[in-house]
Amino acid sequence: AQSVTQLGSHVSVSEGALVLLRCNYSSSVPPYLFWYVQYPNQGLQLLLKYTTGATLVKGINGFEAEFKKSETSFHLTKPSAHMSDAAEYFCAVSDHAGANNLFFGTGTRLTVIP
Amino acid sequence: GAVVSQHPSRVICKSGTSVKIECRSLDFQATTMFWYRQFPKKSLMLMATSNEGSKATYEQGVEKDKFLINHASLTLSTLTVTSAHPEDSSFYICSASGDTGELFFGEGSRLTVL
Repeated sequence: AQSVTQLGSHVSVSEGALVLLRCNYSSSVPPYLFWYVQYPNQGLQLLLKYTTGATLVKGINGFEAEFKKSETSFHLTKPSAHMSDAAEYFCAVSDHAGANNLFFGTGTRLTVIP
Repeated sequence: GAVVSQHPSRVICKSGTSVKIECRSLDFQATTMFWYRQFPKKSLMLMATSNEGSKATYEQGVEKDKFLINHASLTLSTLTVTSAHPEDSSFYICSASGDTGELFFGEGSRLTVL
């Protein structure tokens, strides 16, 4: 069975501050991990994904995430928040690299304060 | 990137009526489409997986007679909520994957049943 827990349904940061969105997963098989972003009135967009290999994954818009097996975590970070980063962020886990059969977290709404 | 479009984005209907939601892949052929349901402050829950030209595979607990899914072409899948009731009110999201295996999401459709 697979599941994802996102700690914090709402996160607020000041513009220019570090963004840290937490994600912990549970999986009985080697996981494939994903972060998606959803802007208002738009579909989910893939930010980054971990399949195999390097545990530090870089994505679009300056985001990155690190797969830590020992902590069963895949936290999303960005060094400096921009106003345009305000959105809903979803962490997801799959047993398939192609993102089929995704199990999503409940999402974290990021607010960026000017 | 590839675009997946859902229509309508919002729909309000009376209890007992049926509602159809369309999911179209605009610039690629979607061999597989997925339908999700999202409750407020909850995860996206996978409802069913459909492959073009074959019957959809429903997740456990999803009533296939209630949520009719058709994937008649490589660019269109439809979800029909039959005899809708207020508890069917939700945000429905589709996603599609093609030859590359990457998943693209629609904008979502908010159903309100009065």
